[in-house]
Amino acid sequence: SAVISQKPSRDICQRGTSLTIQCQVDSQVTMMFWYRQQPGQSLTLIATANQGSEATYESGFVIDKFPISRPNLTFSTLTVSNMSPEDSSIYLCSVVPLAGRYTQYFGPGTRLTVL
Amino acid sequence: GENVEQHPSTLSVQEGDSAVIKCTYSDSASNYFPWYKQELGKRPQLIIDIRSNVGEKKDQRIAVTLNKTAKHFSLHITETQPEDSAVYFCAASRPNAGGTSYGKLTFGQGTILTVHP
Repeated sequence: SAVISQKPSRDICQRGTSLTIQCQVDSQVTMMFWYRQQPGQSLTLIATANQGSEATYESGFVIDKFPISRPNLTFSTLTVSNMSPEDSSIYLCSVVPLAGRYTQYFGPGTRLTVL
Repeated sequence: GENVEQHPSTLSVQEGDSAVIKCTYSDSASNYFPWYKQELGKRPQLIIDIRSNVGEKKDQRIAVTLNKTAKHFSLHITETQPEDSAVYFCAASRPNAGGTSYGKLTFGQGTILTVHP
């Protein structure tokens, strides 16, 4: 399986600021996704990070709030903009390696607290 | 879009007993069904998955069954151990437009499994 890292692992931020989360994979992958997991809840897909083009957002998530970049096959960023306490959550990236057409692996997550 | 329902939300068993978690899905085009285990403070870990061309898959104490007609699938854990205690999530996915890969996962609500020694 792919080795996935995320930075930062956790952060505490002030209301109204923005945070960029990085996701790095040690091998090329076909697909990269960003999920949100609110405390005690399931995982909800924010968007699919498309290489070299705009991300595909799920209902309820917009680019102005969650801009995403994916400049190559191993790296993506998610920015949480103009944060409010409701954005406090764990943000996870996931990947589908080139070798496996369907198996999806998750990064360790970024625990965000907004005050 | 896809909707995945998972039951029960909590499950408590004695060590050595079996545990069964059930999920239903709504999108008949979904044909990949993974199960993830998430321990407290950790990332979700894939424990078993099944594609719709098979009805059952087993890996040691863990098995998954799929009924495409009824659109439900289940996770079975036999001879449970305290280290099986965790939150378990089912998910469903369908192929991407080109049919070359699977895309986004839609998750169930999760089941908190507690195995008492």
